Amino acid sequence: QLHLQESGPGLVKPSETLSLTCTVSGDSISSSTYYWGWIRQPPGEGLEWIGSILYNGRTYYNPSLKSRVTISVDTSKNQFSLKLSSVTAADTSVYFCARGWGAWGQGTLVTVSS
Amino acid sequence: DIVMTQTPLSLSVTPGQPASISCKSSQSLLHSNGRTYLYWHLQKPGQPPQLLIYEVFNRFSGVPDRFSGSGSGTDFTLKISRVEAEDVGVYYCMQSVQLPQGTFGQGTKVEIK
Repeated sequence: QLHLQESGPGLVKPSETLSLTCTVSGDSISSSTYYWGWIRQPPGEGLEWIGSILYNGRTYYNPSLKSRVTISVDTSKNQFSLKLSSVTAADTSVYFCARGWGAWGQGTLVTVSS
Repeated sequence: DIVMTQTPLSLSVTPGQPASISCKSSQSLLHSNGRTYLYWHLQKPGQPPQLLIYEVFNRFSGVPDRFSGSGSGTDFTLKISRVEAEDVGVYYCMQSVQLPQGTFGQGTKVEIK
Protein backbone atom coordinates (compact mmCIF):
# COMPACT_ATOMS: atom_id res chain seq x y z
CA GLN A 1 0.00 0.00 0.00
CA LEU A 2 1.41 3.36 -1.09
CA HIS A 3 2.35 5.77 1.69
CA LEU A 4 4.08 9.14 1.55
CA GLN A 5 5.36 10.83 4.69
CA GLU A 6 6.76 14.34 4.96
CA SER A 7 9.39 15.11 7.59
CA GLY A 8 11.48 18.09 8.61
CA PRO A 9 11.63 21.06 10.96
CA GLY A 10 8.32 22.68 11.82
CA LEU A 11 9.93 26.05 12.49
CA VAL A 12 12.37 27.91 10.27
CA LYS A 13 13.84 31.36 10.79
CA PRO A 14 13.40 34.10 8.20
CA SER A 15 16.14 34.18 5.53
CA GLU A 16 17.10 30.57 6.25
CA THR A 17 16.48 27.47 4.12
CA LEU A 18 13.46 25.23 4.58
CA SER A 19 14.29 21.54 4.12
CA LEU A 20 11.77 18.73 3.91
CA THR A 21 11.96 15.07 2.95
CA CYS A 22 9.26 12.79 1.63
CA THR A 23 9.73 9.11 2.39
CA VAL A 24 7.88 6.77 0.04
CA SER A 25 6.78 3.24 0.86
CA GLY A 26 4.76 0.90 -1.31
CA ASP A 27 6.34 2.08 -4.56
CA SER A 28 9.87 2.45 -5.84
CA ILE A 29 10.79 5.93 -7.02
CA SER A 30 13.58 4.50 -9.21
CA SER A 31 11.23 2.31 -11.20
CA SER A 32 8.25 4.60 -11.27
CA THR A 33 7.13 6.68 -14.22
CA TYR A 34 5.24 9.07 -11.96
CA TYR A 35 6.20 12.65 -11.20
CA TRP A 36 7.00 13.14 -7.50
CA GLY A 37 6.00 16.57 -6.35
CA TRP A 38 5.66 19.16 -3.63
CA ILE A 39 2.58 21.32 -3.11
CA ARG A 40 1.94 23.84 -0.35
CA GLN A 41 -1.07 25.45 1.28
CA PRO A 42 -0.86 28.57 3.47
CA PRO A 43 -3.18 28.35 6.48
CA GLY A 44 -6.77 28.86 5.36
CA GLU A 45 -5.79 29.38 1.73
CA GLY A 46 -5.56 27.45 -1.52
CA LEU A 47 -3.04 25.08 -3.07
CA GLU A 48 0.18 25.99 -4.87
CA TRP A 49 2.34 23.58 -6.84
CA ILE A 50 6.01 24.05 -5.94
CA GLY A 51 7.73 21.57 -8.23
CA SER A 52 8.21 17.97 -9.30
CA ILE A 53 10.96 15.49 -10.03
CA LEU A 54 11.29 12.29 -12.01
CA TYR A 55 13.25 9.20 -10.94
CA ASN A 56 16.12 10.27 -13.20
CA GLY A 57 16.46 13.58 -11.41
CA ARG A 58 14.83 15.79 -14.03
CA THR A 59 13.16 18.66 -12.22
CA TYR A 60 10.31 21.04 -12.94
CA TYR A 61 9.67 24.14 -10.85
CA ASN A 62 6.94 26.71 -10.42
CA PRO A 63 8.31 29.79 -12.20
CA SER A 64 7.30 32.00 -9.28
CA LEU A 65 9.50 29.98 -6.88
CA LYS A 66 12.16 28.67 -9.25
CA SER A 67 14.97 30.91 -8.01
CA ARG A 68 14.60 29.58 -4.45
CA VAL A 69 13.62 25.92 -4.94
CA THR A 70 15.67 22.76 -5.26
CA ILE A 71 14.08 19.31 -5.44
CA SER A 72 16.26 16.23 -5.36
CA VAL A 73 15.80 12.48 -5.20
CA ASP A 74 17.63 9.76 -3.29
CA THR A 75 16.59 6.49 -4.87
CA SER A 76 18.70 4.44 -2.42
CA LYS A 77 16.50 5.70 0.42
CA ASN A 78 13.34 5.95 -1.70
CA GLN A 79 13.03 9.59 -0.74
CA PHE A 80 12.77 12.94 -2.44
CA SER A 81 13.48 16.30 -0.87
CA LEU A 82 12.60 19.97 -1.02
CA LYS A 83 14.80 22.93 -0.23
CA LEU A 84 13.38 26.44 -0.26
CA SER A 85 15.88 29.19 0.41
CA SER A 86 15.55 32.72 1.78
CA VAL A 87 12.21 32.02 3.42
CA THR A 88 9.87 34.69 4.74
CA ALA A 89 6.63 34.61 6.69
CA ALA A 90 4.82 34.22 3.35
CA ASP A 91 6.32 30.73 3.07
CA THR A 92 4.47 29.56 6.18
CA SER A 93 2.34 26.71 4.87
CA VAL A 94 1.39 23.09 5.10
CA TYR A 95 3.72 21.30 2.70
CA PHE A 96 2.48 18.16 0.95
CA CYS A 97 4.42 15.64 -1.07
CA ALA A 98 2.60 13.67 -3.74
CA ARG A 99 2.96 10.95 -6.36
CA GLY A 100 1.40 12.32 -9.50
CA TRP A 101 -1.89 13.85 -8.46
CA GLY A 102 -3.48 10.72 -7.04
CA ALA A 103 -1.57 10.08 -3.84
CA TRP A 104 -0.67 12.70 -1.23
CA GLY A 105 1.11 12.69 2.10
CA GLN A 106 -0.69 14.00 5.15
CA GLY A 107 1.26 17.25 5.00
CA THR A 108 3.51 19.02 7.47
CA LEU A 109 3.14 22.56 8.78
CA VAL A 110 6.21 24.73 8.45
CA THR A 111 6.15 28.08 10.22
CA VAL A 112 8.62 30.80 9.33
CA SER A 113 9.27 32.92 12.38
CA SER A 114 12.14 34.24 14.42
CA ASP B 1 0.15 31.52 -16.86
CA ILE B 2 -3.10 29.60 -16.92
CA VAL B 3 -5.69 30.91 -14.45
CA MET B 4 -8.41 28.63 -13.11
CA THR B 5 -11.66 30.25 -11.99
CA GLN B 6 -14.28 28.34 -10.00
CA THR B 7 -17.90 29.25 -9.35
CA PRO B 8 -19.52 29.34 -6.91
CA LEU B 9 -16.98 29.76 -4.12
CA SER B 10 -19.38 28.30 -1.60
CA LEU B 11 -22.35 25.99 -1.78
CA SER B 12 -24.86 24.83 0.82
CA VAL B 13 -26.67 21.66 -0.21
CA THR B 14 -29.48 19.58 1.27
CA PRO B 15 -28.52 15.91 1.60
CA GLY B 16 -29.80 13.91 -1.34
CA GLN B 17 -29.91 16.94 -3.62
CA PRO B 18 -27.56 17.53 -6.57
CA ALA B 19 -24.69 20.00 -6.66
CA SER B 20 -22.65 21.45 -9.47
CA ILE B 21 -19.37 23.37 -9.59
CA SER B 22 -18.06 25.21 -12.62
CA CYS B 23 -14.41 25.69 -13.52
CA LYS B 24 -13.09 27.85 -16.33
CA SER B 25 -9.51 28.02 -17.52
CA SER B 26 -7.90 31.03 -19.20
CA GLN B 27 -6.46 28.76 -21.92
CA SER B 28 -7.49 25.48 -23.48
CA LEU B 29 -6.46 22.43 -21.48
CA LEU B 30 -6.37 20.23 -24.57
CA HIS B 31 -2.83 18.89 -24.97
CA SER B 32 -1.29 18.18 -28.36
CA ASN B 33 -1.51 14.48 -27.46
CA GLY B 34 -5.32 14.73 -27.52
CA ARG B 35 -5.80 14.48 -23.78
CA THR B 36 -7.35 17.21 -21.64
CA TYR B 37 -5.59 17.70 -18.32
CA LEU B 38 -8.33 18.86 -16.00
CA TYR B 39 -8.63 17.35 -12.55
CA TRP B 40 -10.96 17.66 -9.56
CA HIS B 41 -9.78 17.24 -5.98
CA LEU B 42 -11.69 17.24 -2.69
CA GLN B 43 -10.03 18.39 0.50
CA LYS B 44 -11.99 17.26 3.52
CA PRO B 45 -11.42 19.14 6.78
CA GLY B 46 -8.01 18.42 8.27
CA GLN B 47 -7.00 16.12 5.41
CA PRO B 48 -4.83 16.34 2.31
CA PRO B 49 -6.58 16.73 -1.03
CA GLN B 50 -7.85 13.55 -2.64
CA LEU B 51 -8.21 13.05 -6.35
CA LEU B 52 -11.79 12.58 -7.53
CA ILE B 53 -11.66 13.04 -11.30
CA TYR B 54 -8.78 13.04 -13.77
CA GLU B 55 -8.70 14.15 -17.40
CA VAL B 56 -12.15 15.73 -17.23
CA PHE B 57 -14.41 12.74 -16.65
CA ASN B 58 -12.47 9.74 -15.33
CA ARG B 59 -13.29 8.78 -11.75
CA PHE B 60 -10.22 7.91 -9.69
CA SER B 61 -10.04 4.57 -7.91
CA GLY B 62 -12.67 4.23 -5.20
CA VAL B 63 -14.58 7.40 -6.07
CA PRO B 64 -18.36 6.90 -5.89
CA ASP B 65 -20.29 7.14 -9.13
CA ARG B 66 -22.38 10.03 -7.80
CA PHE B 67 -19.38 12.19 -8.80
CA SER B 68 -19.10 13.02 -12.49
CA GLY B 69 -17.02 15.41 -14.55
CA SER B 70 -17.67 16.94 -17.93
CA GLY B 71 -16.50 19.69 -20.23
CA SER B 72 -13.92 20.48 -22.83
CA GLY B 73 -11.48 23.17 -23.87
CA THR B 74 -11.82 25.82 -21.19
CA ASP B 75 -15.16 25.04 -19.52
CA PHE B 76 -15.61 22.20 -17.06
CA THR B 77 -18.15 21.01 -14.52
CA LEU B 78 -18.15 18.70 -11.52
CA LYS B 79 -21.53 17.29 -10.57
CA ILE B 80 -22.59 15.41 -7.49
CA SER B 81 -25.84 13.62 -8.24
CA ARG B 82 -26.95 13.23 -4.61
CA VAL B 83 -24.87 14.98 -1.97
CA GLU B 84 -24.04 13.03 1.17
CA ALA B 85 -22.74 14.29 4.50
CA GLU B 86 -19.27 12.88 3.77
CA ASP B 87 -18.97 15.12 0.69
CA VAL B 88 -18.35 18.27 2.72
CA GLY B 89 -15.07 20.04 2.14
CA VAL B 90 -13.36 22.22 -0.42
CA TYR B 91 -13.40 21.19 -4.06
CA TYR B 92 -10.54 22.29 -6.29
CA CYS B 93 -10.27 22.09 -10.03
CA MET B 94 -6.72 21.87 -11.31
CA GLN B 95 -5.01 22.00 -14.69
CA SER B 96 -1.83 20.21 -15.66
CA VAL B 97 -1.65 20.69 -19.41
CA GLN B 98 1.95 21.89 -19.04
CA LEU B 99 2.99 18.65 -17.37
CA PRO B 100 3.80 18.27 -14.54
CA GLN B 101 3.00 21.83 -13.51
CA GLY B 102 -0.32 22.21 -11.74
CA THR B 103 -2.47 25.25 -11.23
CA PHE B 104 -5.44 25.14 -8.89
CA GLY B 105 -8.69 27.03 -8.78
CA GLN B 106 -9.59 29.04 -5.68
CA GLY B 107 -11.68 26.24 -4.27
CA THR B 108 -15.42 25.80 -3.66
CA LYS B 109 -16.50 25.13 -0.11
CA VAL B 110 -19.40 22.70 0.10
CA GLU B 111 -21.42 22.41 3.27
CA ILE B 112 -24.55 20.52 4.22
CA LYS B 113 -27.75 22.38 5.10
